[in-house]
Amino acid sequence: ETGVTQTPRHLVMGMTNKKSLKCEQHLGHNAMYWYKQSAKKPLELMFVYNFKEQTENNSVPSRFSPECPNSSHLFLHLHTLQPEDSALYLCASSQAGTREEAFFGQGTRLTVV
Amino acid sequence: AQKITQTQPGMFVQEKEAVTLDCTYDTSDQSYGLFWYKQPSSGEMIFLIYQGSYDEQNATEGRYSLNFQKARKSANLVISASQLGDSAMYFCAMREDYGQNFVFGPGTRLSVLP
Repeated sequence: ETGVTQTPRHLVMGMTNKKSLKCEQHLGHNAMYWYKQSAKKPLELMFVYNFKEQTENNSVPSRFSPECPNSSHLFLHLHTLQPEDSALYLCASSQAGTREEAFFGQGTRLTVV
Repeated sequence: AQKITQTQPGMFVQEKEAVTLDCTYDTSDQSYGLFWYKQPSSGEMIFLIYQGSYDEQNATEGRYSLNFQKARKSANLVISASQLGDSAMYFCAMREDYGQNFVFGPGTRLSVLP
């Protein structure tokens, strides 16, 4: 496989559930990102990892918990979410320290019921 | 802080015609890159074209070209010979050279009419 792969593509969860989103990149990049895209809103940067170290946390509620076990994998653990957390969650990777573009996965469309 | 503005929430264009999508930016960085992405209804963000702040030539990639005016801080995307498959959201983004964070604009929804 090449590129950035996200699983699952669609997820419906209740407010008391715990679930995880997975992102995997096979591009050899050193930076990985989580973005949230809500309807009619700009992309919101949630977390950035550079060489497995979290370098950015944009005031994201603690019900979202990222994990980056290595430079190829990124998880977003979800628990006790709210209906307003329903959105498209996009993972991206890039080679930080260069001028290259970011590569995105296809996203996970999350619905909280 | 960096900021991207896209003032056109939606645009319509007739098939086979050209269309310009506007993007202005604000940054105090001297060296940066500007990127355009396309997002079809499937959700994936597809990279289209890149312009470096020190590039003297406007970037071109097939039917996509970038009208870069550094003094005006604008980086408009021009799509020539529009196709029905060009209907999508288009996002302008920037990143400081050798940095890590990308800043995105709110996007423009392009609809190509048959």
